[in-house]
Amino acid sequence: GDSVTQMEGPVTLSEEAFLTINCTYTATGYPSLFWYVQYPGEGLQLLLKATKADDKGSNKGFEATYRKETTSFHLEKGSVQVSDSAVYFCALRGAQKLVFGQGTRLTINP
Amino acid sequence: DTEVTQTPKHLVMGMTNKKSLKCEQHMGHRAMYWYKQKAKKPPELMFVYSYEKLSINESVPSRFSPECPNSSLLNLHLHALQPEDSALYLCASSQDRQGIETQYFGPGTRLLVL
Repeated sequence: GDSVTQMEGPVTLSEEAFLTINCTYTATGYPSLFWYVQYPGEGLQLLLKATKADDKGSNKGFEATYRKETTSFHLEKGSVQVSDSAVYFCALRGAQKLVFGQGTRLTINP
Repeated sequence: DTEVTQTPKHLVMGMTNKKSLKCEQHMGHRAMYWYKQKAKKPPELMFVYSYEKLSINESVPSRFSPECPNSSLLNLHLHALQPEDSALYLCASSQDRQGIETQYFGPGTRLLVL
């Protein structure tokens, strides 16, 4: 069945550091891929998405490229801020439902 | 506007109580979802409504009863819950197009069952 594997957390970085959170998937065909972010005490917010191979999703300085060769959708940001501290979920659109990774908790220290 | 609203924000209930969670969206979306999220875990799908009809029930216990009165509203009726049902309950909606639809989530209701 469909599955998503995310980089184990927690991840702790200093402000202005470069961020990569790895995400790989297993699925039939070429599903849409998503990154959601969950700030403390809140629901999930869509961060970015890509619907086909080689698409790059971007938002708020975050980027991720849909790589079908490596079945990956890694999240990157060039310079993180304290306000980026949150839990990040990679997800794919399976048959009628989203399949989530386990989530990666990110903490940015000033 | 990609807003999904949920009420209440917090709910404390006893095991014999009956309560309801409410969700509303005005984006014209025709699919609505209930998820349950335990601490430090991803959301788990509970129910899907498509065009106001229940299309997926992920083997959820009958003490959870969903209802979709119209295309903008989704309720989750709770009765005789157990302490292990304490969690964040998230509502989401989407256009319900095949394949590329994006789900938009509400802020959730944090439920504590005593």
